[in-house]
Amino acid sequence: AQSVSQHNHHVILSEAASLELGCNYSYGGTVNLFWYVQYPGQHLQLLLKYFSGDPLVKGIKGFEAEFIKSKFSFNLRKPSVQWSDTAEYFCAVNTDNTDKLIFGTGTRLQVFP
Amino acid sequence: GAGVSQSPSNKVTEKGKDVELRCDPISGHTALYWYRQSLGQGLEFLIYFQGNSAPDKSGLPSDRFSAERTGGSVSTLTIQRTQQEDSAVYLCASSEGRNGNQPQHFGDGTRLSIL
Repeated sequence: AQSVSQHNHHVILSEAASLELGCNYSYGGTVNLFWYVQYPGQHLQLLLKYFSGDPLVKGIKGFEAEFIKSKFSFNLRKPSVQWSDTAEYFCAVNTDNTDKLIFGTGTRLQVFP
Repeated sequence: GAGVSQSPSNKVTEKGKDVELRCDPISGHTALYWYRQSLGQGLEFLIYFQGNSAPDKSGLPSDRFSAERTGGSVSTLTIQRTQQEDSAVYLCASSEGRNGNQPQHFGDGTRLSIL
């Protein structure tokens, strides 16, 4: 069965620090990859997505993610975080045989001024 | 335009009671999904509706859970004889079509607490 792993459960950073959140999936076929963000008190929002083409995708608010097929990874990065990036981040995947999303358990990011 | 709307936002009920959770998807979205978000469990797929096709119920945890979608729009998730382990946030999402490329848009969820 497909699964998604997010190894960082809780990350604490100071403003201006660089961020990288890990995401690995298990599926041998074609995948669509997503990062969603949930700010405190808000609903899940799409941060960025990868379907095909350039494996380096850019999303909103300066976030980017790189799809590395050989490593089954889709890590999220941001060169300089802000206090407003404090949120929970979810990696998700769907595959060529289903539209339902398989989510990781999420990473809680806290950014201190 | 309006996003995905869920009601109620919070529901507290006693163990053994039935509950109904409602989802109004974004107008024109043919795909509708239910997920459950539990502490320490992340987001768990429950059920998926696409147009007039038979729903994908593969994520429903037991036969106490059921869902329907009337007229291709509003959906209701029903939990019968609720148990304490049913306590979670139930999220609804919708997307434009039968294509995994379409991002899912989420509602604010219903926080269900079983006493």
